[in-house]
Amino acid sequence: SQQGEEDPQALSIQEGENATMNCSYKTSINNLQWYRQNSGRGLVHLILIRSNEREKHSGRLRVTLDTSKKSSSLLITASRAADTASYFCATDEGEADQGAQKLVFGQGTRLTINP
Amino acid sequence: DAGITQSPRHKVTETGTPVTLRCHQTENHRYMYWYRQDPGHGLRLIHYSYGVKDTDKGEVSDGYSVSRSKTEDFLLTLESATSSQTSVYFCAISIGTGAYSSNGYTFGSGTRLTVV
Repeated sequence: SQQGEEDPQALSIQEGENATMNCSYKTSINNLQWYRQNSGRGLVHLILIRSNEREKHSGRLRVTLDTSKKSSSLLITASRAADTASYFCATDEGEADQGAQKLVFGQGTRLTINP
Repeated sequence: DAGITQSPRHKVTETGTPVTLRCHQTENHRYMYWYRQDPGHGLRLIHYSYGVKDTDKGEVSDGYSVSRSKTEDFLLTLESATSSQTSVYFCAISIGTGAYSSNGYTFGSGTRLTVV
């Protein structure tokens, strides 16, 4: 079953604008992660936010987490053509055996940056 | 992707044949995972491993088996391939765990499998 649900499914903006993607989930989590996937490639880990954190920054990325609403947002500032990719949120529910980190992924947001 | 390789990258096979996909890591990570990615479903966990010879099922394990005889290798076998198993398969590794983890997954580049 899908834990994370991203919104919107697709987003197209002009280079230099900010892009915001949202993720909602259903159960309690240990952490929430965001990944990027370029076409035909594997996913790349961008940022992790723990359940006791509310906001986290990494370069041009800002992630927020609202556990009361079971939602997260990923903001990419000053977008570039190279940011064109699909972005996925993933939740770690912390129920795995022996400490494995079984992530549950959403269906992703396809972001297109137009030059 | 540094430290993790999948083979083959592409494969076409016939319905009913067994298929084995390989994931190899050089990071000495304890945890390894197999996911499949399909349009409309995102990524779904097939099986995972938490050590040599220690594996468990994920969300969509029916029709798949895994083995891990060495830390560095995690094999995914489709026992009798069906058209519904046409997909892109990703292997991932991780070192972190639970509430104190600061690390996510490192993914391989994927194997595109077509069952005809």
